[in-house]
Amino acid sequence: QVQLQESGPGLVKPSQTLSLTCTVSGGSIGSGSFFWTWMRQPAGKGLEWIGRVYTSGSIKSHPSLKSRVTISFDKSKNQFSLELTSVTAADTAVYFCARGMPYGGTYYFDSWGQGTLVTVSS
Amino acid sequence: EIVLTQSPGTLSLSPGERVTLSCRASQSVYSSDWVWYQQKPGQAPRVLTYGPSNRAAGIPDRFSASGSATDSTLTIDRLEPGDCGIYHCQQEGGSSLPFGGGTRVEIK
Repeated sequence: QVQLQESGPGLVKPSQTLSLTCTVSGGSIGSGSFFWTWMRQPAGKGLEWIGRVYTSGSIKSHPSLKSRVTISFDKSKNQFSLELTSVTAADTAVYFCARGMPYGGTYYFDSWGQGTLVTVSS
Repeated sequence: EIVLTQSPGTLSLSPGERVTLSCRASQSVYSSDWVWYQQKPGQAPRVLTYGPSNRAAGIPDRFSASGSATDSTLTIDRLEPGDCGIYHCQQEGGSSLPFGGGTRVEIK
């Protein structure tokens, strides 16, 4: 069974860049047809989709974050990554990586990382 | 941008009861392929149902879902203490993948 694990700094200063990595085990991110995805959840709020990289390398990110988001993947390390620039307190959240399984006209997340809290503060 | 609104915000029910959760889209969505998740405190969400009415692996048949181009309903029969948590809906938004704000289910 595939497992995902987020890693990265838990504290980022305002205006700096948030960088997270998701390491996948139990399966290859270069195999199959999956949407390797980043999401976040501010405390007490709902989930927000940030963006995804498809197995083929196609990348898509949320229109409201697009100018600040870079998503990439490294098949050799079986990892995919998120960079979010110019962070503010509004970017404080638990960040999740997940595997998206295509179904019909969309996809659903069948495997998730445990989540990592990132706090933006000076 | 498609916005998903879940109702009610919080429910408090007794074991054995039937609960119905609603999720409505601000405009017609691309398909009836709604997804529902359950999230417990401090944990990642877990997929419950996807598509019109498919249950994910290991999800008991007490959980069922239905949906249309504008809304979806998740029904939980014979509520159990372990069903407490926050329930999220998800749809295909074209340029993004929107989630609802969640419904908290509490067991009395």
